[in-house]
Amino acid sequence: DQQVKQNSPSLSVQEGRISILNCDYTNSMFDYFLWYKKYPAEGPTFLISISSIKDKNEDGRFTVFLNKSAKHLSLHIVPSQPGDSAVYFCAASASGGTSYGKLTFGQGTILTVHP
Amino acid sequence: GAVVSQHPSWVICKSGTSVKIECRSLDFQATTMFWYRQFPKQSLMLMATSNEGSKATYEQGVEKDKFLINHASLTLSTLTVTSAHPEDSSFYICSAIRADRSAVEQFFGPGTRLTVL
Repeated sequence: DQQVKQNSPSLSVQEGRISILNCDYTNSMFDYFLWYKKYPAEGPTFLISISSIKDKNEDGRFTVFLNKSAKHLSLHIVPSQPGDSAVYFCAASASGGTSYGKLTFGQGTILTVHP
Repeated sequence: GAVVSQHPSWVICKSGTSVKIECRSLDFQATTMFWYRQFPKQSLMLMATSNEGSKATYEQGVEKDKFLINHASLTLSTLTVTSAHPEDSSFYICSAIRADRSAVEQFFGPGTRLTVL
């Protein structure tokens, strides 16, 4: 049962353009969402997060949008740079009780930004 | 940012042997650490939650007698893969929550590549 889904295995974007990575979830208990960037044979690096009480969070070139009713979130990167090329994971967390701190990850989307 | 290290970064072992992987928070105290595994081209799957001073809690389907977790101090958690088999070959990643921050501040180690022959 895949509770967090990233349906696009890969995305290719031209440098300077916008990259939009999508993520869907099914568990209504999730109330915190995070995006991580990962290179092969390395651990994930935290990018940006959003609480379920918000619908948008922005940090520099990265913006995350949350649509609770659709159980959908997206990460926008603008402008995209070749150094952004990596695997991007969406993760979700339920803050209550025994779920504290546990992250459920999506399958990842490989982003390639062409010069 | 906070630094989490793992040792070793890669290990090759024979089937039937045990392998210990260390996860250390280098510049902060971590009351809680998590262990994940990632198969090629797949997502990170949470294996267990490691709490300092208490027993680890395992996710459904993870054998606690096979994956022994010890959280010996506020900066060290170890994962021992006992009687390793080829199907245990995977990329193991730990993460740590800072004791003085919220759970969203979760920092990941660089991972350990385990290959069982």
